[in-house]
Amino acid sequence: QSALTQPRSVSGSPGQSVTISCTGTSSDVGGYNYVSWYQQHPGKAPKLMIYDVSKRPSGVPDRFSGSKSGNTASLTISGLQAEDEADYYCCSYAGSYTVFGGGTKLTVL
Amino acid sequence: QLQLQESGSGLVKPSQTLSLTCAVSGGSISSGGYSWSWIRQPPGKGLEWIGYIYHSGSTYYNPSLKSRVTISVDRSKNQFSLKLSSVTAADTAVYYCASAGTTFAFDIWGQGTMVTVSS
Repeated sequence: QSALTQPRSVSGSPGQSVTISCTGTSSDVGGYNYVSWYQQHPGKAPKLMIYDVSKRPSGVPDRFSGSKSGNTASLTISGLQAEDEADYYCCSYAGSYTVFGGGTKLTVL
Repeated sequence: QLQLQESGSGLVKPSQTLSLTCAVSGGSISSGGYSWSWIRQPPGKGLEWIGYIYHSGSTYYNPSLKSRVTISVDRSKNQFSLKLSSVTAADTAVYYCASAGTTFAFDIWGQGTMVTVSS
């Protein structure tokens, strides 16, 4: 099993929108609606931002949204704010195991 | 509110066994519908799922680590544990414990504990 593929970095200005992609295979992202996204600030534990492809846990701003098409999932952050600058990881259930993406560093310009 | 706290040795010699424990508070580890996971992050790198155990005791491991990993539950102490054998420098990482519900999303994380493999 290989890690899911994410861009190493993305950037955007405050108020803009950015989208982070997460590409897997039909055995993971494409095969299940169990894609989740995590935000990680330096030195901190990851925080769940999206689960079940597009659902937001309580307390996560609706600026964060998720979607999936085929073997690729996406996280979109609209109305970028300075505090959104962090690393983002996608994750997918794959039957008998779970796999993470390599991570994407979001820079707010 | 469920909380998790990792503990264990921060320094392990090469070829030895890494042992960590995750204490669960604010809820029972025997609650149905939850899985209890270990996830690690080498310095400057991404997250790697190690494995999880269900309340039933069933375990699932990362195929790349399966031969060296054991995850177990101690219900009397409301905690679960990780053992990783034959460690090398490549196993140096921050190790997190986490819980997931029926959607396989890790909604609760411990603060993480750094483990260094060095002689």
